[in-house]
Amino acid sequence: GAVVSQHPSWVICKSGTSVKIECRSLDFQATTMFWYRQFPKQSLMLMATSNEGSKATYEQGVEKDKFLINHASLTLSTLTVTSAHPEDSSFYICSARDPGAVRDTEAFFGQGTRLTVV
Amino acid sequence: LAKTTQPISMDSYEGQEVNITCSHNNIATNDYITWYQQFPSQGPRFIIQGYKTKVTNEVASLFIPADRKSSTLSLPRVSLSDTAVYYCLVGSGDTGTASKLTFGTGTRLQVTL
Repeated sequence: GAVVSQHPSWVICKSGTSVKIECRSLDFQATTMFWYRQFPKQSLMLMATSNEGSKATYEQGVEKDKFLINHASLTLSTLTVTSAHPEDSSFYICSARDPGAVRDTEAFFGQGTRLTVV
Repeated sequence: LAKTTQPISMDSYEGQEVNITCSHNNIATNDYITWYQQFPSQGPRFIIQGYKTKVTNEVASLFIPADRKSSTLSLPRVSLSDTAVYYCLVGSGDTGTASKLTFGTGTRLQVTL
């Protein structure tokens, strides 16, 4: 099946700094990617929809100025957590669908990025 | 987006069949039902998807009644490695913006010897 890769797998940063997380579709093009956040023992929460060549669409309650999303190409979306604080520590996951796949309704998820803000 | 309800947790012994039922009373006509599996510190992984009746693949079966208001994921002869969280999702087949998935609580399956 299609592969979605995230980088880095984990990152530790100091409070007040910014962190960029990359999400790549390795063998397909994705005009739309999705970013999720997951706290320990909780479900995935959709943060935003990343649209290639246009602005991202954020879910209610998600600060767009804090979580900057850029989808500059059909295979790469980035999430930048700006001025990170300890409460931003979480597991961030991206996903995308392969419109060319036989089962194009299946979503492929990255392996996730564990962010720890100290 | 259709909301889903499933048990918070389930326990099973190795070798048993496990059935996890999900309710989705307001499923739309063009919605598919998809189940994902998630291990700790990993992204969710696709298990099975269906629209109606029964679907079977190499790892699971999915039973969907005629009214499509619920579905049951069946895992035959589970092993310790099947310990994970299982999510039932309902969503459109559109690959664009409408394809965003909303995760419910999931079912935490614990398999023991």
